[in-house]
Amino acid sequence: QVQLQESGPGLVKPSETLSLTCTVSGGSITSHFWSWIRQTPGKGLEWIGYIYHTGSTKYNPSLESRVTISVDSSKNQFSLRLSSLTAADTAIYYCARTFSSAWPDYWGQGTLVTVSS
Amino acid sequence: DIQMTQSPSSLSTSVGDRVTITCQASQDINNFLNWYQQKPGKAPKLLIYEASNLETGVPSRFSGSGSGTDFTFTISSLQPEDIATYYCLQFDTLPPTFGRGTRLDFK
Repeated sequence: QVQLQESGPGLVKPSETLSLTCTVSGGSITSHFWSWIRQTPGKGLEWIGYIYHTGSTKYNPSLESRVTISVDSSKNQFSLRLSSLTAADTAIYYCARTFSSAWPDYWGQGTLVTVSS
Repeated sequence: DIQMTQSPSSLSTSVGDRVTITCQASQDINNFLNWYQQKPGKAPKLLIYEASNLETGVPSRFSGSGSGTDFTFTISSLQPEDIATYYCLQFDTLPPTFGRGTRLDFK
């Protein structure tokens, strides 16, 4: 069964860039799309974007100017970069295996990211 | 973005109760809707995909129905392990959007 694990810093300063990595095990990253999703008490669950192993991406228009998702098939990993952080970006960030129609099935356990000086 | 109106936001229940949650989409989404269960401190878990299909390994007391703009999620007989928050997700149109969730607790 596929498993996903997020990694990255738990605390980031305002105006800086967040970098998170998701490591996929139990399956090949070339077989599906792969998403980032975040969750806050205020806005609930929010889809950030997804990537295919070819590098093709789709982003949420609300975040598109600040988001980059990339993939490293040799490591079975994909990554999220979110720039110009504010306190509103404080959230639990999840990575998830995704079908081409953009719905996720398996999710990582999530990682809490706090934006604070 | 398509808005998903989920109700109720919370529900006090008892073991054995029949539980019904609804999601209404702001426009026609065909049957492109999933239901997820989230327990505290855990990631969401897929229960129902494409409105009415039970994910492998999910108990048959969970079911979903609907098409177009109105969807229903049902637990036929609530079990203690079903206490969680449930979310709908539409994926007809990018970006996919979630309902605000329905939190179940015991009376």
